[in-house]
Amino acid sequence: GENVEQHPSTLSVQEGDSAVIKCTYSDSASNYFPWYKQELGKGPQLIIDIRSNVGEKKDQRIAVTLNKTAKHFSLHITETQPEDSAVYFCAAGDDKIIFGKGTRLHILP
Amino acid sequence: NAGVMQNPRHLVRRRGQEARLRCSPMKGHSHVYWYRQLPEEGLKFMVYLQKENIIDESGMPKERFSAEFPKEGPSILRIQQVVRGDSAAYFCASSPQELNNEQFFGPGTRLTVL
Repeated sequence: GENVEQHPSTLSVQEGDSAVIKCTYSDSASNYFPWYKQELGKGPQLIIDIRSNVGEKKDQRIAVTLNKTAKHFSLHITETQPEDSAVYFCAAGDDKIIFGKGTRLHILP
Repeated sequence: NAGVMQNPRHLVRRRGQEARLRCSPMKGHSHVYWYRQLPEEGLKFMVYLQKENIIDESGMPKERFSAEFPKEGPSILRIQQVVRGDSAAYFCASSPQELNNEQFFGPGTRLTVL
């Protein structure tokens, strides 16, 4: 079945540095690739998404890249801040999206 | 515009009881998705519904679990005869239409089975 792998599971980054989270997917029919941020005790919040006809998308300090040939996509957060600490999930799909297992991002002071 | 509402936020049940989880989608959204999240894990797809129709229930356990999204009222995820392994956070998401539209998540219901 469809599968989404996400790495790393935990990431610690010094405040101000960049963080990169990578995902691979198995279903070549996937056309939609959202990224969600989940804070403790809350539901996931969409932070950025990309569709298969685009290779890169940027929104302020957040960017996502997509390589459909290799079936992988990445989240880049630059100039990290304490409030970026959370669990981040990638997902891939079409009418149904499959989530990765998440990356716990710690921003170190 | 209110977001996705879920209630209750916390639900405690004893083994063998029934759990009913409610989800009110965002205004204008006719598609609802239910996910289960275990501690330290990702979101597992359970079921995708439109008004009065189940579109995809491939993630639902075959027994004890059911979902509905009636013409009027919230979507309901029902778990009969709960067991300890059902303890998890259950999230609902809604979207305005299928195919590549973002899903807006509710705050979740945390089910604890004693």
